[in-house]
Amino acid sequence: KAGVTQTPRYLIKTRGQQVTLSCSPISGHRSVSWYQQTPGQGLQFLFEYFSETQRNKGNFPGRFSGRQFSNSRSEMNVSTLELGDSALYLCASSPGQDTQYFGPGTRLTVL
Amino acid sequence: AQKITQTQPGMFVQEKEAVTLDCTYDTSDPSYGLFWYKQPSSGEMIFLIYQGSYDQQNATEGRYSLNFQKARKSANLVISASQLGDSAMYFCAMREGRYGNKLVFGAGTILRVKS
Repeated sequence: KAGVTQTPRYLIKTRGQQVTLSCSPISGHRSVSWYQQTPGQGLQFLFEYFSETQRNKGNFPGRFSGRQFSNSRSEMNVSTLELGDSALYLCASSPGQDTQYFGPGTRLTVL
Repeated sequence: AQKITQTQPGMFVQEKEAVTLDCTYDTSDPSYGLFWYKQPSSGEMIFLIYQGSYDQQNATEGRYSLNFQKARKSANLVISASQLGDSAMYFCAMREGRYGNKLVFGAGTILRVKS
């Protein structure tokens, strides 16, 4: 089976712009979660989608949003980018509650 | 309050020796799961092992085992016969509750394997 894929792998944006990141889960996995990793804050949960519905949400401002499509692929969007949004964004898919498989991540740099 | 605490910022181990990475957690939910992940310098998070709160036996996966001490709220990762390729950042994480997959991560431990 193919693993979790994320596109793009690298992205450079400027402050004020918006960005959309994409995640394709492992085939058959209906749960997709997003995490932000920064040197200062570590790994933080953004949100989880299951069967096209947001099931859990972390403590991030409304500029961060996401959605899931009927084929379980997920996107996350960040509007009005700030310098502090520079991070590695990781997507994880899960068949249940005892495993989560992560993708390679999208490294976002905001200038 | 910190939900996951990893007290060792960095560890060294000699090749072929065993090493224990510490993790303590804090939750009042009786249903939870504990995970360990490895993150090499490439950035990808690699799932290593899982322990459910109701599991009676300690989890094992190849060279990885989880020393689960529920009363002490600790979930230490033991890597046996360390290899050079084990050098990486290791994260302990917890999922609370019966539903959903939200993980809370610790700060991580950098492991360096010496030849």
